[in-house]
This record gives sequence, C-alpha cells and structure tokens, in this order.
Amino acid sequence: EAQVTQNPRYLITVTGKKLTVTCSQNMNHEYMSWYRQDPGLGLRQIYYSMNVEVTDKGDVPEGYKVSRKEKRNFPLILESPSPNQTSLYFCASSSGLAPYEQYFGPGTRLTVT
Amino acid sequence: DAKTTQPNSMESNEEEPVHLPCNHSTISGTDYIHWYRQLPSQGPEYVIHGLTSNVNNRMASLAIAEDRKSSTLILHRATLRDAAVYYCILRANTNAGKSTFGDGTTLTVKP
Repeated sequence: EAQVTQNPRYLITVTGKKLTVTCSQNMNHEYMSWYRQDPGLGLRQIYYSMNVEVTDKGDVPEGYKVSRKEKRNFPLILESPSPNQTSLYFCASSSGLAPYEQYFGPGTRLTVT
Repeated sequence: DAKTTQPNSMESNEEEPVHLPCNHSTISGTDYIHWYRQLPSQGPEYVIHGLTSNVNNRMASLAIAEDRKSSTLILHRATLRDAAVYYCILRANTNAGKSTFGDGTTLTVKP
C-alpha cells in the first residue's frame, strides 16, 4: 500500500531535549515536506526537499533541521525544542513530475513542556 | 508564492450539491490548482487538480475560470462524510517543492 508513515504519532517532551520525528514514504517520490498545523494558523510549511541532499526552507524553518540522506526518508530534527513548537506535524511526499499532488502522513502531535 | 483566498466556512444540506470557491488572482501560467481536504484528526487528502480545463474524478469536479483567477470545487451530492476543511493551493512548476496552504474552508454538512 502506498503510504507516508510518521513516528512517533504522539510525543511529550521537555524544553531543550533533542528529538527527531521520522518520516518515510514508499512511493519513490522525489519531493518531501514537513508542515506544522496550529489552531487558527492553518498548515505552514517548515522545510521541503526536492531530492536526496537537496533541501530548502519553507515558511517557518526557525528551530528545525532536516536531512535527506535517502530518498524514502526525511526526518525532522528539533535540536532544542521549546514550548512554542508544540504543534501537530505532518510529513508529505509528491512525485517530481507535474502535477505534484501531495500525499500526507497521519501526523505527529508534539507537546513540549 | 501566489496566494489563494477561500471563505472561512460554508454549510450544505446532505445530498445537495456544494460549490466551494477559491480565488487565486496572482496565479502564474504554469501553476497547477490543487484541492485537498482534511477530515477531523487526519492528514490532508488530495482531492483533485487542474491546470486550465475543468476536471472530474470520482470524488469531485473542478471548474476553472477562463482567466484562471478563480476555481470552484464541486461536490455533486454532499454526504456527512464530506464534512471537512477544504484547501485550495497552487503548485508551481518553477518551484514545485514550495507549498503554501491558506486557512481553507470548513464545510459543515447538515443531515
């Protein structure tokens, strides 16, 4: 089954403790993205990647890092999480060919205390 | 990025058609128009896309204005399961990785 998986689905952590949220897709997609979703602010893109070792900033990259060492994986790294990073996070992937429709993961709910 | 504008909310009765509008007046010639929907507690789900011509698929229809500055997602017979937030976004050929979602339209379907 074609899918985007994220782990963990739920995470509660404390300020400053480094964490990684993993994302994996099995569709051989070139493009992958991370979004955060907050009440009243909609979906905002954090980072995206066009292929292995090619990443770029989205609209809200501050406080986040990403890497794309393999085509199927696109982990989101929070080196020093803060409470304002409490949010619902979605990973998405899309083919590198038009029209670039995105397939989203189930989401990771992160709480930073 | 070209932006889209949608009404915050709309209501529909079950089994009636629903027309969800989207304005994208700054669309570029090669931008694709995509629609996604997000059901409660789920990730967004692709619904339909178009470039210039109207499109139909099993989920919905997409009507695109001749000048491409607006589009309408049409659900032919709304069901209670169609209650969701609907997002209209543009995907540019020139930078297809970048993606900006607006606030979307919250569709309420009344039985």
